Amino acid sequence: DAGVTQSPTHLIKTRGQQVTLRCSPKSGHDTVSWYQQALGQGPQFIFQYYEEEERQRGNFPDRFSGHQFPNYSSELNVNALLLGDSALYLCASSFSQSEQFFGPGTRLTVL
Amino acid sequence: GIQVEQSPPDLILQEGANSTLRCNFSDSVNNLQWFHQNPWGQLINLFYIPSGTKQNGRLSATTVATERYSLLYISSSQTTDSGVYFCAVGANDYKLSFGAGTTVTVRA
Repeated sequence: DAGVTQSPTHLIKTRGQQVTLRCSPKSGHDTVSWYQQALGQGPQFIFQYYEEEERQRGNFPDRFSGHQFPNYSSELNVNALLLGDSALYLCASSFSQSEQFFGPGTRLTVL
Repeated sequence: GIQVEQSPPDLILQEGANSTLRCNFSDSVNNLQWFHQNPWGQLINLFYIPSGTKQNGRLSATTVATERYSLLYISSSQTTDSGVYFCAVGANDYKLSFGAGTTVTVRA
């Protein structure tokens, strides 16, 4: 049984560009959450998707948007990248509100 | 939102030693998870423990929900136990709120 997968592993962008990160949940999971982890800090909740709708959003600007597909996979899009967006982006999947399982993350560097 | 405090922030152990990590939270929760983050950033699930006690090998955890804290015990520590340990909690919403983590270094 494959766990949560994310792509790409690493990404380098320049300020002002746009980026799309992808996540496939564990088999049997229907909920995908996205987190941002800055260096030396704990992960911060960005938003959660369930039934292809954004169910809850954390304290992040509208530049951060997402999507969930019918197969439960998800994308995180960030527009107009800032230097401060450099971080590890983690995707987690769960069945409804149960235990969350995390993917290996995408490390984004904004130059 | 819920505040999560972990202590100590850093812990240095000799191989074979035992240790206790603590997680305090500011409100009632219905989800509490302990994770180990490896050097590559992967969060490894250790325990899903909103209440009660669980054990898995050399690790065990106890959550006292009424007193709003959880403890993670590491016994007979090994160098592979090194890394950052996070406590994360959820209430009547959908997100996990993380503490700042405890960085554990186990020396051979």
